[in-house]
Amino acid sequence: GQQVMQIPQYQHVQEGEDFTTYCNSSTTLSNIQWYKQRPGGHPVFLIQLVKSGEVKKQKRLTFQFGEAKKNSSLHITATQTTDVGTYFCAGYSGAGSYQLTFGKGTKLSVIP
Amino acid sequence: DVKVTQSSRYLVKRTGEKVFLECVQDMDHENMFWYRQDPGLGLRLIYFSYDVKMKEKGDIPEGYSVSREKKERFSLILESASTNQTSMYLCASSSRRTMSYEQYFGPGTRLTVT
Repeated sequence: GQQVMQIPQYQHVQEGEDFTTYCNSSTTLSNIQWYKQRPGGHPVFLIQLVKSGEVKKQKRLTFQFGEAKKNSSLHITATQTTDVGTYFCAGYSGAGSYQLTFGKGTKLSVIP
Repeated sequence: DVKVTQSSRYLVKRTGEKVFLECVQDMDHENMFWYRQDPGLGLRLIYFSYDVKMKEKGDIPEGYSVSREKKERFSLILESASTNQTSMYLCASSSRRTMSYEQYFGPGTRLTVT
């Protein structure tokens, strides 16, 4: 079945440093989504990428979808303590399935 | 705003008990999902449902069953709770109308089986 690998599993950064998490799918995706889970909270939808090579920005967050629609990245510029949490990517393969395949997430810690 | 609610935030049950976890969404979503979340293992899909009275097995259905008698409600049942079912359980829903299927999660139920 479809697999979505996400790296790194953990990342500790000093406040103000940049952070990137990467996501790779074993199959071509119709879209990829990103979620954030704050400590003690539940995953919250951040954004969806649909087109090959697409780049979207949300303030300090930049999301990219690879040309082959099999990989994606989330980059945070100048991290803040409010960025702490676990970031998940989730791939949607289409083909009549309504499921998402989640990566295992990257847990981000920001040292003030 | 989409609201997904779960019946309990914390639950403690004994081994062998039958456990019911309830999930309700208020956005008329067709799709509903049950996940469990464990450290280092991410979100693992237990069961999902595309419609009332419909259910499909996810990746780890063993020891669980589900019920969807109404569109807004999706229940997860642990037939005979065991200690290895101690976990955080998350319910989610999504709409087929958007064609993107982003999922909206409930706050989770942290279940401890002793």
